[in-house]
Amino acid sequence: DARVTQTPRHKVTEMGQEVTMRCQPILGHNTVFWYRQTMMQGLELLAYFRNRAPLDDSGMPKDRFSAEMPDATLATLKIQPSEPRDSAVYFCASGLSRYYNEQFFGPGTRLTVL
Amino acid sequence: AQSVTQLDSQVPVFEEAPVELRCNYSSSVSVYLFWYVQYPNQGLQLLLKYLSGSTLVKGINGFEAEFNKSQTSFHLRKPSVHISDTAEYFCAVSDVDSSASKIIFGSGTRLSIRP
Repeated sequence: DARVTQTPRHKVTEMGQEVTMRCQPILGHNTVFWYRQTMMQGLELLAYFRNRAPLDDSGMPKDRFSAEMPDATLATLKIQPSEPRDSAVYFCASGLSRYYNEQFFGPGTRLTVL
Repeated sequence: AQSVTQLDSQVPVFEEAPVELRCNYSSSVSVYLFWYVQYPNQGLQLLLKYLSGSTLVKGINGFEAEFNKSQTSFHLRKPSVHISDTAEYFCAVSDVDSSASKIIFGSGTRLSIRP
């Protein structure tokens, strides 16, 4: 049963610390998406990749957030330095471009910045 | 630009009652339409999708949705809900010709089932 995996599932950190979230897309998928979900803002698209190349990261605060795909099996989202307003659930999703654009979501990383 | 409107942020219904969650979209091109469900403390999972063909689409857990192009709607329905259907439901749209495969999500509708 192919699934998107995310680590860690929960992260509590202090303001100013670096946070790295990891995502393993479903094998064979060539698109990867990072979302952030909060009660106030709902589901926001932060960035997405196709064939490991970033297509759009306009949803991310550029000064502190960065997203990369070091290889086809790993996507990372980093926050440096973290702030309390970054507290949210971060979801990774993967898909196969041109296959009806369906996305498969991971379980999320719940981040709390104190 | 595409957009999705879910008119109801919360819908309370009694168990075994029917439910309809409303979704309207805006797009100038052909679209794919989706409904995703998010159970508490979980990620989103696909409930059903409209790609082409029959306008009535059946999904998992007894849900179905009807694509209405003239009204630009894609409402989700279930004839009889169960406690286990308590979740948040997201309507979403994607451009058929998009090379970016991006999906635009609505703001979600929280379905709460009363016993």
